[in-house]
Amino acid sequence: DVKVTQSSRYLVKRTGEKVFLECVQDMDHENMFWYRQDPGLGLRLIYFSYDVKMKEKGDIPEGYSVSREKKERFSLILESASTNQTSMYLCASTLQGVLNIQYFGAGTRLSVL
Amino acid sequence: DQQVKQNSPSLSVQEGRISILNCDYTNSMFDYFLWYKKYPAEGPTFLISISSIKDKNEDGRFTVFLNKSAKHLSLHIVPSQPGDSAVYFCAASATGANSKLTFGKGITLSVRP
Repeated sequence: DVKVTQSSRYLVKRTGEKVFLECVQDMDHENMFWYRQDPGLGLRLIYFSYDVKMKEKGDIPEGYSVSREKKERFSLILESASTNQTSMYLCASTLQGVLNIQYFGAGTRLSVL
Repeated sequence: DQQVKQNSPSLSVQEGRISILNCDYTNSMFDYFLWYKKYPAEGPTFLISISSIKDKNEDGRFTVFLNKSAKHLSLHIVPSQPGDSAVYFCAASATGANSKLTFGKGITLSVRP
């Protein structure tokens, strides 16, 4: 089974803090994705990466950056957390060109106070 | 502009009856469609998919129908069970899109015992 692991299930941070959300997958997938899920808004793509050190902006990249130094690990960085970044963050991965089935981690519920 | 639309935010059905979840899309480049199921505090899990070369795909109690001319797909769950109560996301992708998925806002299904 594909395993996508997000380092924290729940995080509470203060406004202005730098926040790191980590995601690791164990299936040698090329593509990795970060989404946020908010009530009534569905899943919105923040950033994705299709190879080590490669990244592309998704639909809502403002206020976020990412890092992919190793194939299995994709990090989401909130440079200066704000209250409107309180959300559920979901990481996903998939093999390149294989039916686009993305496998998700359990999510990180981030609260910014 | 929302390319994948799930216009009904919620659906309630009686246990044993059929659940029909609808999804519409606007981008004619989409050629692969997926349904994900999400429980609270968990990541989405892949449920079933359909390629644009088919109009139906069945997996146990779950069947997805695709009407390309109407740009409409639906997920049928028969018979519905209380454990099916969850949020269901419709997603779509286009060939060559680096495995990117575009998600709808989700439908909350409640199955009453």
